Amino acid sequence: AQSVTQLGSHVSVSEGALVLLRCNYSSSVPPYLFWYVQYPNQGLQLLLKYTTGATLVKGINGFEAEFKKSETSFHLTKPSAHMSDAAEYFCAVSSILTGGGNKLTFGTGTQLKVEL
Amino acid sequence: EPEVTQTPSHQVTQMGQEVILRCVPISNHLYFYWYRQILGQKVEFLVSFYNNEISEKSEIFDDQFSVERPDGSNFTLKIRSTKLEDSAMYFCASRDRAMNTEAFFGQGTRLTVV
Repeated sequence: AQSVTQLGSHVSVSEGALVLLRCNYSSSVPPYLFWYVQYPNQGLQLLLKYTTGATLVKGINGFEAEFKKSETSFHLTKPSAHMSDAAEYFCAVSSILTGGGNKLTFGTGTQLKVEL
Repeated sequence: EPEVTQTPSHQVTQMGQEVILRCVPISNHLYFYWYRQILGQKVEFLVSFYNNEISEKSEIFDDQFSVERPDGSNFTLKIRSTKLEDSAMYFCASRDRAMNTEAFFGQGTRLTVV
């Protein structure tokens, strides 16, 4: 079974400040890891993903995340927050399976608020 | 840019009624999924579908739920007899063949059972 823990259901930062959203996962097989963003009344949009290879992955809108196997973490960062980053962020893990499946298991989400 | 399309965006139904939520996945994708998000809660997996059959389903996906790909483009989720607790946002997603690709999500259908 896989699981994701997102520490902090609400994070508030000032515009221009560092954004750090925490994600820890549990998986008995090598994981694929994802960050999705959900703006109000919209669907889920992929920010970035880690599958194999380089452990520091860059995504859209200046976000990046680092896969740390020893810490079972995949924290999301952005050096300088913008007002438009205010949204809910979901970390998700999937398993490497043959055939069908490969479902996503989501964390509970972190609501990011950006203040002037 | 290709996208997953869901209809309707919002559906209100009476308890006990059947509803069908519709999705048009991205055309060359092979894996299809339904997820739901109860208000204020996390996104939960319901079912995955591949090669015209269910490949995995969650405990939530009981006999009241069914999925179908009636033609080459649509992917539907049917709830036979809706309950109040079925009220949620339902997301359809699709994925390409390769195992390391991400799922693309639709905008969701907000189902309200009254």
